[in-house]
Amino acid sequence: TQLLEQSPQFLSIQEGENLTVYCNSSSVFSSLQWYRQEPGEGPVLLVTVVTGGEVKKLKRLTFQFGDARKDSSLHITAAQPGDTGLYLCARGMRGGADGLTFGKGTHLIIQP
Amino acid sequence: DAGITQSPRHKVTETGTPVTLRCHQTENHRYMYWYRQDPGHGLRLIHYSYGVKDTDKGEVSDGYSVSRSKTEDFLLTLESATSSQTSVYFCATRGNEKLFFGSGTQLSVL
Repeated sequence: TQLLEQSPQFLSIQEGENLTVYCNSSSVFSSLQWYRQEPGEGPVLLVTVVTGGEVKKLKRLTFQFGDARKDSSLHITAAQPGDTGLYLCARGMRGGADGLTFGKGTHLIIQP
Repeated sequence: DAGITQSPRHKVTETGTPVTLRCHQTENHRYMYWYRQDPGHGLRLIHYSYGVKDTDKGEVSDGYSVSRSKTEDFLLTLESATSSQTSVYFCATRGNEKLFFGSGTQLSVL
């Protein structure tokens, strides 16, 4: 099993602050996905990163895939209460039928 | 969003009883998955299916069985529920190289 380590496990900050969460592994991945899960719901895909060094932006969220494709980060600028949720990284599809392997996630709370 | 419906949404049962959770999809996706989510463990794959009557084990398959008689339905069965199977269960389908999840079933085994 290729483990995905996410940090921090929990993060609580005030509205308007910036934050970064991380997803690390000792293995190289062909791609990596980030999902967000809100209470009482299933995870929803935010982004897929494929190329080493790739940076993708989704409004105030910036995702980066490490040059060696072993790690990724998610940076949120000017966090808002609506950003509250569980952020999960997942090893990308290998083309086979087996499902994604997920990290344990970062629980993010943005306080008004 | 893929149309994925899980039923029931909540269930309380007793140790030793059989339990079946249902996942229904309207997207005609070939691949379907059952995950469980627990504090400290995250999402872990139980079983998956790559077509009608084609299934395989995931990381935590002991004590669980699955069946897929139609493309749209994927059933997860706990033959004899144990307290360690108290969890939130998520069904997912795969389309366009991403997973679409249902809203989950909260199962409590007392």
